[in-house]
Amino acid sequence: RKEVEQDPGPFNVPEGATVAFNCTYSNSASQSFFWYRQDCRKEPKLLMSVYSSGNEDGRFTAQLNRASQYISLLIRDSKLSDSATYLCAVKHGWQGAQKLVFGQGTRLTINP
Amino acid sequence: GAGVSQTPSNKVTEKGKYVELRCDPISGHTALYWYRQSLGQGPEFLIYFQGTGAADDSGLPNDRFFAVRPEGSVSTLKIQRTERGDSAVYLCASSLGGGSGYQETQYFGPGTRLLVL
Repeated sequence: RKEVEQDPGPFNVPEGATVAFNCTYSNSASQSFFWYRQDCRKEPKLLMSVYSSGNEDGRFTAQLNRASQYISLLIRDSKLSDSATYLCAVKHGWQGAQKLVFGQGTRLTINP
Repeated sequence: GAGVSQTPSNKVTEKGKYVELRCDPISGHTALYWYRQSLGQGPEFLIYFQGTGAADDSGLPNDRFFAVRPEGSVSTLKIQRTERGDSAVYLCASSLGGGSGYQETQYFGPGTRLLVL
C-alpha cells in the first residue's frame, strides 16, 4: 500500500460544477500537507498548503482530518482552466526542509 | 526572479550509458531536492541537500544513482549504466531551507525527460 493515496480519476465535470478530491495518508508522523497542481508535461506548482483548521483561497477549499488521516480539496464554480492533475503531498515532522511524499495524482477535466 | 532551471530538457541515451542531469536552484535557496516522476504517477523522492551535504538520500533506488552539490548551489544527478526502467521525468525542486517553517514551499523546475533506449 502506498503511503499517500488518491483516486486517480479521471474526473470529468461540466464547467461551473463543484468537485471534491480526497487523499489519504498512512504515516501518522505526517505534519504538513499540500495540494499541488500539475498541467500536462509541466512541473508541479503549489496550489495551497493545508492547515489544521482548513483554509480557503478563492474557489478552492482545503480540509485536513487528522483523526481519519485524509485531506480534501474542494473546487467550486469550476473553470475550464482548472483542468489539470491535482497532487496531494505530505511532509513528515516539523522541520522546514524535508522530502515531500506525493500521491499519484487525480486527473480533472472540466468540460464546456 | 528566475525559477529553478534544469538542463537538458530532454535526454535520449542508450542502455548502459552514463548521464548527468543538472539543476540550478532559486538563488538563496539552501535546500535542493531531486524527484523522479513516471507516467501516471506522482513525483517520487530521490535525495535532498541542505547546503552541500546530502541530508536524506533514502530515495535513491540503487548505487547507480548519485548526486552532488559541491558549492551548495547547482546540483548534478548522475546515473551510471542506465537501464530502460530509468526512463522518467527527473524533477528538481528548491526551498529556502534553514528551518524556515514547516509549511515551507518547494518550487519545482521544468524537469529533464530521460529516455533510455
